[in-house]
Amino acid sequence: GAGVSQSPSNKVTEKGKDVELRCDPISGHTALYWYRQSLGQGLEFLIYFQGNSAPDKSGLPSDRFSAERTGGSVSTLTIQRTQQEDSAVYLCASSEWGGQGARGYTFGSGTRLTVV
Amino acid sequence: DAKTTQPTSMDCAEGRAANLPCNHSTISGNEYVYWYRQIHSQGPQYIIHGLKNNETNEMASLIITEDRKSSTLILPHATLRDTAVYYCIVIIQGAQKLVFGQGTRLTINP
Repeated sequence: GAGVSQSPSNKVTEKGKDVELRCDPISGHTALYWYRQSLGQGLEFLIYFQGNSAPDKSGLPSDRFSAERTGGSVSTLTIQRTQQEDSAVYLCASSEWGGQGARGYTFGSGTRLTVV
Repeated sequence: DAKTTQPTSMDCAEGRAANLPCNHSTISGNEYVYWYRQIHSQGPQYIIHGLKNNETNEMASLIITEDRKSSTLILPHATLRDTAVYYCIVIIQGAQKLVFGQGTRLTINP
């Protein structure tokens, strides 16, 4: 598609339930990133995928968080046993490898997760 | 990556130039200055970047001091649509991930 697509746009879940957030990157973009943004806060890096390399998981806040990227395209961020502090907007971005570097990030509109 | 310091918030009148400062006193020689902005309820959007020379594109101008310890993003004729949080990021070209600070919340007033 023309941009980065994320689904769902909004998700309300009960504390303790698992959730899956989906990201469709721009076709041909080899790098994919997940960030989260809590209310009134800046963007927090979570995880980064680049081609077939091992992902950079250094930003995942706990082992309840995991992500995968199938076929080098679509990515799913999974949060197990959700807690209220997980409530945030989860943003996905994709970019071409190298070349434009940090210029080439294109962000989706995010998934707003609310844990009640 | 070098740390950046930005004012928490700024106001500007519509039609005037908005000048957003950023301090990056620990920047190293191979680090670029990037600016992104985030309009409410949207993901961040790239604006401009530079190494040591001033840069201009259709969105903004970037002025980097000679010692590279600070820079200013200039929106020449601010509109209400420019109301957003503006992030100044210092990063090595081609680095793997962007690290965002708190940014400057710019409000354009009619």
